[in-house]
Amino acid sequence: DAGVTQSPTHLIKTRGQQVTLRCSPISGHKSVSWYQQVLGQGPQFIFQYYEKEERGRGNFPDRFSARQFPNYSSELNVNALLLGDSALYLCASTDVGQGAGNTIYFGEGSWLTVV
Amino acid sequence: AQSVAQPEDQVNVAEGNPLTVKCTYSVSGNPYLFWYVQYPNRGLQFLLKYITGDNLVKGSYGFEAEFNKSQTSFHLKKPSALVSDSALYFCAVRDPGTYKYIFGTGTRLKVLA
Repeated sequence: DAGVTQSPTHLIKTRGQQVTLRCSPISGHKSVSWYQQVLGQGPQFIFQYYEKEERGRGNFPDRFSARQFPNYSSELNVNALLLGDSALYLCASTDVGQGAGNTIYFGEGSWLTVV
Repeated sequence: AQSVAQPEDQVNVAEGNPLTVKCTYSVSGNPYLFWYVQYPNRGLQFLLKYITGDNLVKGSYGFEAEFNKSQTSFHLKKPSALVSDSALYFCAVRDPGTYKYIFGTGTRLKVLA
């Protein structure tokens, strides 16, 4: 089975532009979450979606938004890009049916560079 | 607030020697603890987790971790290190009542041949 897939793998944007990152979860997983990993730091939680509804949001500005589609894939949008948005954006999926001790499985990430 | 701490930025160990990567946590209620590994320019790979039960958890690639409630620790261990184990290791705790995972700052493991 395919793991979590993300696209694009690398992209370069200019300050002020907008970006959309895409994620397909592991087959059968209904929950998707997004994390930002700045160089030298651990991943920081941005959003979690389950059954197309937002179930959690981290401490990120409103420039960050996301959505989940009926096939459980997800998009992360970032508007008005800042240099500080340069990071690895990780998508993770989980099968919430496993209960409280769910493992989240990560994709390879999308490297965003803002210039 | 829930948190994890990885006190060592880097751990160096000789190939064949045992390794330990340290993690301590602060969480209200029962902790759900995880270890992930990240190779250069890659995403995070799941190694193991503690939910309940036996304090010694076995995971992928020969890694194991020991949960110690009194010391609020969840140290990652391996009896015999390989050069290929060299990577960035993250400890994480799930925020109770949510699906948010809180990660430590990471420990870079370098196994020397």
